[in-house]
Amino acid sequence: AQTVTQSQPEMSVQEAETVTLSCTYDTSESDYYLFWYKQPPSRQMILVIRQEAYKQQNATENRFSVNFQKAAKSFSLKISDSQLGDAAMYFCAYRSDSGAGSYQLTFGKGTKLSVIP
Amino acid sequence: DAGITQSPRHKVTETGTPVTLRCHQTENHRYMYWYRQDPGHGLRLIHYSYGVKDTDKGEVSDGYSVSRSKTEDFLLTLESATSSQTSVYFCAIRQGFPTDTQYFGPGTRLTVL
Repeated sequence: AQTVTQSQPEMSVQEAETVTLSCTYDTSESDYYLFWYKQPPSRQMILVIRQEAYKQQNATENRFSVNFQKAAKSFSLKISDSQLGDAAMYFCAYRSDSGAGSYQLTFGKGTKLSVIP
Repeated sequence: DAGITQSPRHKVTETGTPVTLRCHQTENHRYMYWYRQDPGHGLRLIHYSYGVKDTDKGEVSDGYSVSRSKTEDFLLTLESATSSQTSVYFCAIRQGFPTDTQYFGPGTRLTVL
């Protein structure tokens, strides 16, 4: 079974600075997807960014980018120019692309990010 | 916005009572999911559906049942609620090509006393 580990339960960053959240995963598969979801105090789960394992290029969405290291099974999220609205729980998630089964997401336990004005 | 609603949004109930949570989607997605979120555990899959009347178990299915009689509705039932089922419940849909991504409803906070 796949596992996802987020080793930083809490992190903080100064407004306008850059922060990197870590995620590692364990899998024997070669094809899969990785995601970062944001959960603000409103509780809504919001997709931040996704990465297909077959793509070598790191995904980028505005101020959010990832560092995907397939051999190391690492998938970190970098937030640039941090804003107060970035304060939230961030979850890393893995999804198999085996072509069968539920396409379920396996989540890490989350990292709580605080942004200091 | 993937057009997902959940009802109720909040519920308090007593141990031993039956509870049904509803997930409704408006965009005809084939796959639907129920997850629960607990502190220190992230989200864990309870059950999922891959079509009308087609459902299967997830990681933490004990004590839960589901039904899907229409494409747009996916129901989660706790036949006899226990305090260990106090949690936040999220419904999700899988949006296929080209994004192939799961999008979540707003969640239901359930408290079992």
